[in-house]
Amino acid sequence: DAKTTQPPSMDCAEGRAANLPCNHSTISGNEYVYWYRQIHSQGPQYIIHGLKNNETNEMASLIITEDRKSSTLILPHATLRDTAVYYCIVSYSGDKIIFGKGTRLHILP
Amino acid sequence: GAGVSQSPRYKVAKRGQDVALRCDPISGHVSLFWYQQALGQGPEFLTYFQNEAQLDKSGLPSDRFFAERPEGSVSTLKIQRTQQEDSAVYLCASSAATRLSYEQYFGPGTRLTVT
Repeated sequence: DAKTTQPPSMDCAEGRAANLPCNHSTISGNEYVYWYRQIHSQGPQYIIHGLKNNETNEMASLIITEDRKSSTLILPHATLRDTAVYYCIVSYSGDKIIFGKGTRLHILP
Repeated sequence: GAGVSQSPRYKVAKRGQDVALRCDPISGHVSLFWYQQALGQGPEFLTYFQNEAQLDKSGLPSDRFFAERPEGSVSTLKIQRTQQEDSAVYLCASSAATRLSYEQYFGPGTRLTVT
């Protein structure tokens, strides 16, 4: 079973920041938080990952709480192409991915 | 650079036929994963290779499913005597599996329809 809890769906206006929450209260000390997304009819796409510190790359930012029991993925300026299912995953590096149900993000024009 | 490729992209099989699905990982990637995605569901893990060694096949749903990666590069997922419940998208992913890079890169998938 997936070790994360995410809202089933969210809406965000185009051009605004999309903030996707994830709860992972049973995360172990060496487990990372990974985010992937799946655009319709495509394979999942890696977005970002982190262990303890906040991370930023060209796609998104990842904010992890100090107790590591939750995190937030931030898409700073959402576009229509960001419409997808977003999966928050907790796993050891190199391990298989256990996907949950994810959050279906709708970007509204 | 080239990403993960899979072939065929679509496959229609009659119930009872055998099928073979191919995955070409990113060159040099050590780890290779197969996932199965039913309609409307998230992907589910099937099996994992590190180079040519199959280290985890706990997700294979039955002994009709077989995967191989004989030279540590291209992998084939074979399904014998296909059943309707095998209809799904089969996804392949590869990973460099270095200390700095464990993220998985997915192919577009093969959509299998068993009639």
